[in-house]
Amino acid sequence: SYVLAQPPSVSVAPGETASLPCGGNNIGSKSVHWYQQKPGQAPVLVISYDSDRPSGIPERFSGSNSGNTATLTISSVEAGDEADYYCQVWDRSTDHRVFGGGTKLTVL
Amino acid sequence: EVQLVESGGGLVEPGRSLRLSCAASGFTFDDYAMHWVRQAPGKGLEWVSGISWDGGSKAYADSVKGRFTISRDNTKNSLDLQMDSLRTEDMAFYYCVKSGGPGIASDNWWAPWGQGTLVTVSA
Repeated sequence: SYVLAQPPSVSVAPGETASLPCGGNNIGSKSVHWYQQKPGQAPVLVISYDSDRPSGIPERFSGSNSGNTATLTISSVEAGDEADYYCQVWDRSTDHRVFGGGTKLTVL
Repeated sequence: EVQLVESGGGLVEPGRSLRLSCAASGFTFDDYAMHWVRQAPGKGLEWVSGISWDGGSKAYADSVKGRFTISRDNTKNSLDLQMDSLRTEDMAFYYCVKSGGPGIASDNWWAPWGQGTLVTVSA
């Protein structure tokens, strides 16, 4: 089955840029969605189709996808961005819907 | 405003059944596929099942195939998940999620998510 790999944790100082990778075999050929989940809350879509930002999501959130890695980038990180972030794809060949294990973003 | 409200969670013994429901409002329910996603306490997200806009297509994670059944009633704007032969590893928060399109064999995004209902499986 298709596997998405995310680092368990990433730490960044306020105002800096956070890069959260999501690795998968030829993930660049798939559409990647990113979800933010704050403690005690349901997940929220922050990036769709690799790099599209839904209405209401700050411009500080952006995404890219190429080769074997998709990346969620959060610029000018704020304390309120502290959350778990999950990447997700649909694997057409197996009809599996897959999440990465999630990355906990800590704002120092 | 789109709203998804889950219900039906609770404590159940291993091997027993439970039925979850999701009440949808604020959008044209029968234009969209719907999914269930679960999250064990302190763990990551796991897709459970999905159903197309008309109920004609359904899909299940291997971990629940043959035990769980997804269904929808477009006249009532509701989504259900019948869970049979429950196991301790099924214990999780279950989220009802709206797809970005009508089909399930697609790479649509999922939003919004309901607040979830907790299923506890224990003797």
